[in-house]
Order: sequence, then structure tokens, then C-alpha cells
Amino acid sequence: QQQVKQSPQSLIVQKGGISIINCAYENTAFDYFPWYQQFPGKGPALLIAIRPDVSEKKEGRFTISFNKSAKQFSLHIMDSQPGDSATYFCAAAVNFNKFYFGSGTKLNVKP
Amino acid sequence: GAVVSQHPSRVICKSGTSVKIECRSLDFQATTMFWYRQFPKQSLMLMATSNEGSKATYEQGVEKDKFLINHASLTLSTLTVTSAHPEDSSFYICSAREAGQETQYFGPGTRLLVL
Repeated sequence: QQQVKQSPQSLIVQKGGISIINCAYENTAFDYFPWYQQFPGKGPALLIAIRPDVSEKKEGRFTISFNKSAKQFSLHIMDSQPGDSATYFCAAAVNFNKFYFGSGTKLNVKP
Repeated sequence: GAVVSQHPSRVICKSGTSVKIECRSLDFQATTMFWYRQFPKQSLMLMATSNEGSKATYEQGVEKDKFLINHASLTLSTLTVTSAHPEDSSFYICSAREAGQETQYFGPGTRLLVL
């Protein structure tokens, strides 16, 4: 049973464009929603995270939008760059313990 | 930032042998460490959670006698794949979390190939 559903599976964006990746969850007990960036052959690196008491969090070019009532959250990458090309995973957790990961989105930013 | 290392980064072994993978938190004390498995182009699947000084908690479907986890200190956890078989070939990733902190920091992963 997939606790966190992520879409799209892959995404192609032109340099300078906006990349948007979406995730949905069912368990209302989740209270921590991080996004991770993973390059081939490397472990995931934390990008940005949000708690359910806020609807948006922005760090540089990366923004998380959170819709508690819809049980959805999304990652927006503004001014996408070729260096952003990687696989992105959303995740959800309760009390920062067991993390449930989405299936991943492979982002390709074209120069 | 917090750094987690894994050793080895890549290992090739023969079927039937055992392989040990180390996970170290280099600049913080990791009260909790997690072991994940990732198949090509797939997501991370949690295998087990270990708290320092306690027995690991395994996820459903993960054989604890095959994947031995030890978390003997606040900076080191080991995963031993016993009697490895080709189907155990995968990318194994650990993560570590400091007490009271929310973030898990991931290691760079270990690529295991069983021939």
C-alpha cells in the first residue's frame, strides 16, 4: 500500500521554467513532510521540509505548498537550472520516525 | 551540515558470502539510524530502524536473520547481509537522526552486487 503517491514520474522543463512535483497522502497523522533530492549513485539530500501548521514554505528557489484539507503537498522549483536535474522524492512521517517515500520524479532541465 | 558516511561505497561478492556495510555519523550523535533499500529507478523502502543500544525494529517482510543490524554506538550502525544471493543486489542507504531533531541525514549509499 503506497502511503504517499507522487506524480509525475518524470518531468522535462526548459531552463528558467518552473518545475512542479505533486504528492498526496491519506494518513492524517503525518506531521512532517520533507522533500529530498537524489543524484545518480548518491544518497538523498534534504531539500526543504514543512509541518502541517503552515501552508507554504520558501527557501531560495524551492517552495513547498501544503494543502491540509486536500492532503496534498507540492514542490515548486522556480527558475529551474540544468544542475537541478535529479530525482526528487517527497516523504511523510509521524513524529519524525518512519518515513514513507513517494515513488520519485526524475526531473530533466533542458539548457 | 550533518554528515553521514557509508563504507564501502561499492561491493561485489560471491553468492553465499556475508557482507557488512558500515554507517557512521561524523559530526553528531545518531540516537536513531535507519536502513533503506533502493532498487533501480525506484523509491526507498525502509528495512529497519535501530536505536543505539537496542535491538532493531524490522519492517514487515524483512528477514531479521538475513539482514543483521547492530547499533552499538551513537556514531556507528552496521548492516550485515548474511548468505547473500543475487536477489539481494541493490543500493543500500542508511540515514541517521539526532535525538530531538526532525531531520534524517542520509549516507551516500552502498551498491551491493552479488554474483
